Amino acid sequence: DQQVKQNSPSLSVQEGRISILNCDYTNSMFDYFLWYKKYPAEGPTFLISISSIKDKNEDGRFTVFLNKSAKHLSLHIVPSQPGDSAVYFCAASDAGYSTLTFGKGTMLLVSP
Amino acid sequence: NAGVTQTPKFRILKIGQSMTLQCTQDMNHNYMYWYRQDPGMGLKLIYYSVGAGITDKGEVPNGYNVSRSTTEDFPLRLELAAPSQTSVYFCATRLKEAFFGQGTRLTVV
Repeated sequence: DQQVKQNSPSLSVQEGRISILNCDYTNSMFDYFLWYKKYPAEGPTFLISISSIKDKNEDGRFTVFLNKSAKHLSLHIVPSQPGDSAVYFCAASDAGYSTLTFGKGTMLLVSP
Repeated sequence: NAGVTQTPKFRILKIGQSMTLQCTQDMNHNYMYWYRQDPGMGLKLIYYSVGAGITDKGEVPNGYNVSRSTTEDFPLRLELAAPSQTSVYFCATRLKEAFFGQGTRLTVV
């Protein structure tokens, strides 16, 4: 049973527009949420995170929104750039930080 | 400061062979993890450790073993390699955010 779901395997966006990547979770014990970016043949790299006590966190072009009642989070990238083309993973952790559960990923393609 | 170092980067094993995937971190983090990534399947947790001497099973531990004798090292052992273990393996260490190694691409033939 998938506890973290990314229902869109892929997303195509034009350069300069907004990219919105979505993630749903089922485990109400999850307390901390993260987004990772992965290029081919490399390990995932941390992008941005959000604690359950917040509903929004911004870092430059990247903003993560959390809706706890809907068990939903989203990553907004504005403006999108071709270098943003990668696979994006949503991940979730409980308050003890002992494990980190990942979604299947969404491949983002930003075209010039 | 190397972060998380995994060796080897690539390996081909024959069915039934054994090998150890090495993972070393210099970040002094207590939490360490081993994940495998299969195409289209995201990252699945194999084993994790919350500190030296402590290990625990993740979602897909069968066919693997780990040890954690020091804070720095968290090797993953495959005893009898099977084709189902063909995958890309990632080691990670964590404080709040997890930091990943570059991965080991393993093929079992």
